[in-house]
Amino acid sequence: DTGVSQDPRHKITKRGQNVTFRCDPISEHNRLYWYRQTLGQGPEFLTYFQNEAQLEKSRLLSDRFSAERPKGSFSTLEIQRTEQGDSAMYLCASSLASWGSSSGYTFGSGTRLTVV
Amino acid sequence: AQSVAQPEDQVNVAEGNPLTVKCTYSVSGNPYLFWYVQYPNRGLQFLLKYITGDNLVKGSYGFEAEFNKSQTSFHLKKPSALVSDSALYFCAVRDGSNDYKLSFGAGTTVTVRA
Repeated sequence: DTGVSQDPRHKITKRGQNVTFRCDPISEHNRLYWYRQTLGQGPEFLTYFQNEAQLEKSRLLSDRFSAERPKGSFSTLEIQRTEQGDSAMYLCASSLASWGSSSGYTFGSGTRLTVV
Repeated sequence: AQSVAQPEDQVNVAEGNPLTVKCTYSVSGNPYLFWYVQYPNRGLQFLLKYITGDNLVKGSYGFEAEFNKSQTSFHLKKPSALVSDSALYFCAVRDGSNDYKLSFGAGTTVTVRA
């Protein structure tokens, strides 16, 4: 296990379609995070899980967005009825619950979504 | 509330010259500060962090950062820049009152010319 994996790397979809992204964290990390990064901006927090529990959701996460981590391992992020404003890089990260001696997050390479 | 400002959108330096990328922060408690680097179409790579202790933090690839509490700054520095340091750099902060969310600056694009 060499890092956080995200699939797909790129997704082009038509407006109104549903999309789903997958994230596989570092296996021993019990926390998993989703961030969104738009052009010219830093990543913005969307949500995070500790094991299978979703503990926090940002106001950025509208009702069209849903995230799951059913067995406390991989996670999925689904966007329903996509809009052009959803075009962004979706970043997944994982960490241990205790940050003290670690680098904090380990990020995946991201999924770039383009809604046309 | 926690936030980060990176006042420069772009920094251009010649190879071999010192590189500084500026960051100021705002938190309501003790700050946990991070620097990440992003190459095109890639995720963020950790460079260094400050949690407590020495104000001068040394990190990966020859980078270091100085924590200045009175100026609420955490500037990233490298004594001698390389062309391969050309990338997008993000400063991030976490308030000590929360243990999960990072707030990122808008990023600074560094270009090192040969």
